[in-house]
Amino acid sequence: SQQGEEDPQALSIQEGENATMNCSYKTSINNLQWYRQNSGRGLVHLILIRSNEREKHSGRLRVTLDTSKKSSSLLITASRAADTASYFCATDRRTGNQFYFGTGTSLTVIP
Amino acid sequence: NAGVTQTPKFQVLKTGQSMTLQCAQDMNHNSMYWYRQDPGMGLRLIYYSASEGTTDKGEVPNGYNVSRLNKREFSLRLESAAPSQTSVYFCASTGDRPPYEQYFGPGTRLTVT
Repeated sequence: SQQGEEDPQALSIQEGENATMNCSYKTSINNLQWYRQNSGRGLVHLILIRSNEREKHSGRLRVTLDTSKKSSSLLITASRAADTASYFCATDRRTGNQFYFGTGTSLTVIP
Repeated sequence: NAGVTQTPKFQVLKTGQSMTLQCAQDMNHNSMYWYRQDPGMGLRLIYYSASEGTTDKGEVPNGYNVSRLNKREFSLRLESAAPSQTSVYFCASTGDRPPYEQYFGPGTRLTVT
């Protein structure tokens, strides 16, 4: 079974609004990463947060991590039409170097 | 610096045919991965290679074989394609130092009829 699960599965917002998506995982992790996938393309890395970090920022992105709840959230502020994509969380376990991806959140930003 | 490249981009096979998907990276990464992506399923790991000469099974290895030809190249082979292998296949590589982000190729869209 997959390590991560995103919520919601789909999200539609107006341009300028904030978008929040959540990821839950099952086992202890080293890092949690967020990726973006534009339609028909490969995934692109957005941001990584380590298990000992609680919050991280990168431009309009804000990621939080709660290891006690085994969950993370990705906030995209002041969304733009170009943010329309699918977003995936990925975790790596404390042993081994495999990455486990969630099922993704499909974000649509309406101009 | 092309990153991760994959060939072919599209392929249609008949049940029982075989083919090899090629992947190469020019970032001198040790770790390489093959995933498949199906609607509503996210990415599932087929095989990975932590270094040249080593390969390990992932979550869904049945029906596939891999070869780590050298540090740059990691190929995925379907010996006898089945309709259940219709999917989009992605190759990825990861650096050996933090932040351990994965770099993905553009994908191969495979249809098995």
